[in-house]
Amino acid sequence: DVKVTQSSRYLVKRTGEKVFLECVQDMDHENMFWYRQDPGLGLRLIYFSYDVKMKEKGDIPEGYSVSREKKERFSLILESASTNQTSMYLCASRTGGNYGYTFGSGTRLTVV
Amino acid sequence: EDQVTQSPEALRLQEGESSSLNCSYTVSGLRGLFWYRQDPGKGPEFLFTLYSAGEEKEKERLKATLTKKESFLHITAPKPEDSATYLCAVHPGDDKIIFGKGTRLHILP
Repeated sequence: DVKVTQSSRYLVKRTGEKVFLECVQDMDHENMFWYRQDPGLGLRLIYFSYDVKMKEKGDIPEGYSVSREKKERFSLILESASTNQTSMYLCASRTGGNYGYTFGSGTRLTVV
Repeated sequence: EDQVTQSPEALRLQEGESSSLNCSYTVSGLRGLFWYRQDPGKGPEFLFTLYSAGEEKEKERLKATLTKKESFLHITAPKPEDSATYLCAVHPGDDKIIFGKGTRLHILP
């Protein structure tokens, strides 16, 4: 089975801190995605990547950046954390073609 | 604009009471429709992929069906452990997948 591993289940950070969320997948998938999930708003796409060193903005990229130096690893960076970035962050990966996502278990980030 | 709408937002059923969740979609070209189950505090877990109208998939008490405009997730004789949020998503043809907001299902013992 494909595994997508997010490094932390829960994080508490202070306003203004730089925050790194790490995601690793073990099945050589080309495409990786970062979403945030908030009650009533559903899943919103932050950034995605089709390949190493490639990145594309999703629907809500402001305040975030990403890094993909290796195919299996996709990092989400909050440059200066703010309280409105408190959320559940979900990483997903997929191969090409008509296949769905495999998700990680999520990181619940609280910014205080 | 590509859109996915799920209804109802929330559903409470008694154990054993069968029902259906709806996912209606508007996309320029459908390459696949996906159903996921999400438990509180966890990532979504893949259930089914449907590719063409008329297709059906089954897993235990769940059956997913697809028409040209909507998909249904039928739950037969549900148990409390079926309580979760069920997400529908469509793949319209690029590499992004569009999600609905989900249906929160609660099965009462």
